[in-house]
Amino acid sequence: DAGITQSPRYKITETGRQVTLMCHQTWSHSYMFWYRQDLGHGLRLIYYSAAADITDKGEVPDGYVVSRSKTENFPLTLESATRSQTSVYFCASSQGLRTDTQYFGPGTRLTVL
Amino acid sequence: GQQLNQSPQSMFIQEGEDVSMNCTSSSIFNTWLWYKQEPGEGPVLLIALYKAGELTSNGRLTAQFGITRKDSFLNISASIPSDVGIYFCAGRGYGGSQGNLIFGKGTKLSVKP
Repeated sequence: DAGITQSPRYKITETGRQVTLMCHQTWSHSYMFWYRQDLGHGLRLIYYSAAADITDKGEVPDGYVVSRSKTENFPLTLESATRSQTSVYFCASSQGLRTDTQYFGPGTRLTVL
Repeated sequence: GQQLNQSPQSMFIQEGEDVSMNCTSSSIFNTWLWYKQEPGEGPVLLIALYKAGELTSNGRLTAQFGITRKDSFLNISASIPSDVGIYFCAGRGYGGSQGNLIFGKGTKLSVKP
């Protein structure tokens, strides 16, 4: 009963480097989401996906790229990391969008030096 | 865009006391959710509300969906040390991308034994 997992749990990188955060869910949920959590801002939606090969922007998509070739995986890539992208990143999934609750992974703490 | 105001930002209480927190929205929501986040973990769903006026309990926790559809309340009775964490409200509006959740900034609860 793995649920939703994220890797790595912690990552330190340098400005300008490409970083990919992984998210995997075992529930076959249709929807998957990426949030970032910063002090004073709470959780903000970066991107979400309704199904394989269907993605859409959230509130703060700039500087991020997502893909979803398989239902169970939803990687988030920072193509050229910046210090402002230092944050805790959470992946979540849900069966539907409008009525179903979202279940969160344990998070990835990313530090960009 | 939609905004959620969650208050208070933090609470320091004595074990055994009751706790009350609330969220208000600038627009009407069709869903209110309450999550709890413990250090180093992702948010965990506590209570989901789908109908105006709905009052739902989960153990010592009780939440209500406001009649105006613009607010929700979470009460914790007889607090214990393991109630410590950050409590987030989340709401969902109607139509289009408003199917996505909007999160409050959280209420940090500290309980003194």
